[in-house]
Amino acid sequence: AQSVAQPEDQVNVAEGNPLTVKCTYSVSGNPYLFWYVQYPNRGLQFLLKYITGDNLVKGSYGFEAEFNKSQTSFHLKKPSALVSDSALYFCAVRDIGDYKLSFGAGTTVTVRA
Amino acid sequence: EAQVTQNPRYLITVTGKKLTVTCSQNMNHEYMSWYRQDPGLGLRQIYYSMNVEVTDKGDVPEGYKVSRKEKRNFPLILESPSPNQTSLYFCASSHKSGASGNTIYFGEGSWLTVV
Repeated sequence: AQSVAQPEDQVNVAEGNPLTVKCTYSVSGNPYLFWYVQYPNRGLQFLLKYITGDNLVKGSYGFEAEFNKSQTSFHLKKPSALVSDSALYFCAVRDIGDYKLSFGAGTTVTVRA
Repeated sequence: EAQVTQNPRYLITVTGKKLTVTCSQNMNHEYMSWYRQDPGLGLRQIYYSMNVEVTDKGDVPEGYKVSRKEKRNFPLILESPSPNQTSLYFCASSHKSGASGNTIYFGEGSWLTVV
């Protein structure tokens, strides 16, 4: 069985400061990992994914994530947060060969001006 | 423009009154799926379909039905809605070919309230 944990319900940062949203996963095989963002009253937007290769993945809106196999983590990062980054962020995992996407509970990010 | 389109976006209905939430994608995707989003639980898969006439249960299928008669459409049917089905519903799709690392695309969501 596959699962995702997002240990923080909320993350609060000041604009211009680094932003990190944590994610750990569990799969039986090798993982495909994804980050999605949900703005208020909107659908889920794809940010980035790790399939294979370089452990540092760059995505949309200046976000990046680092895959760490030994720690089974895939933390989302942004060097300098913007107020417009305030949203709900979801980490998700797929096991190789499985099309089911399992989501974490989500982390609400608030960036204050 | 590549899209997953859901309708209705907002619906208030009464217990027991059958309803259908439609989903359509224009990307020729083989794989389609329905999720529900509840606070503190993230998104949970209800049903999925790997291709036309092929559907299977996800994690929370009770109280729902689906059909896949055409590749582009994947409606979600609530035969007898109950208040515990009040939720935000998302339809999603992706290509099936190649590795399952294909990105899944989501619709805008359908807010359903059952009173």
